[in-house]
Amino acid sequence: GENVEQHPSTLSVQEGDSAVIKCTYSDSASNYFPWYKQELGKRPQLIIDIRSNVGEKKDQRIAVTLNKTAKHFSLHITETQPEDSAVYFCAASRDFYTGNQFYFGTGTSLTVIP
Amino acid sequence: DVKVTQSSRYLVKRTGEKVFLECVQDMDHENMFWYRQDPGLGLRLIYFSYDVKMKEKGDIPEGYSVSREKKERFSLILESASTNQTSMYLCASRPTGTGVTEAFFGQGTRLTVV
Repeated sequence: GENVEQHPSTLSVQEGDSAVIKCTYSDSASNYFPWYKQELGKRPQLIIDIRSNVGEKKDQRIAVTLNKTAKHFSLHITETQPEDSAVYFCAASRDFYTGNQFYFGTGTSLTVIP
Repeated sequence: DVKVTQSSRYLVKRTGEKVFLECVQDMDHENMFWYRQDPGLGLRLIYFSYDVKMKEKGDIPEGYSVSREKKERFSLILESASTNQTSMYLCASRPTGTGVTEAFFGQGTRLTVV
């Protein structure tokens, strides 16, 4: 099955700095890569995603890059704010009828220091 | 708004009890998932279902079973609860197809087995 590795497990940045979280995956058939943000005591929520036919996607301060050859993808948050503090999970998935479950990384706890 | 609702936010059960965790989604999604979330281990897939009465094992199915008698409801069953099943349990649903691929999560059930 798929194996998703995520680094770092914890990350502290000063407000206004950038944060980068990296993930690798093992299954070359994976074609959809979402990033979820989980605030303390809340459910994970999608913040950005990317499909395998795209190399980069940006949404305001958040961007995701994908390198299919190397099987890795990264989340970039610029101009970080205290409300960005949360646990972030990357995931990989395939769009097959019977096999489209998500495989998640182990999470990155991001702390933005005011 | 997609809603995935888990029947309990907190549960305390005794060792050996049979435990039912219920999840209901209101968006007619074909796929439903049960994850277990533990610190440092991320979200690990227990079971998933891609259709009514269909179920597939995830990465950590031992000690669990599931039931999907209706499309909107996916139940996780702990046949004989043990202390090592103390955890946060998250249900998710996702439609089939390449157009909309986001998974939506329930609010989680924190289960304590004593």
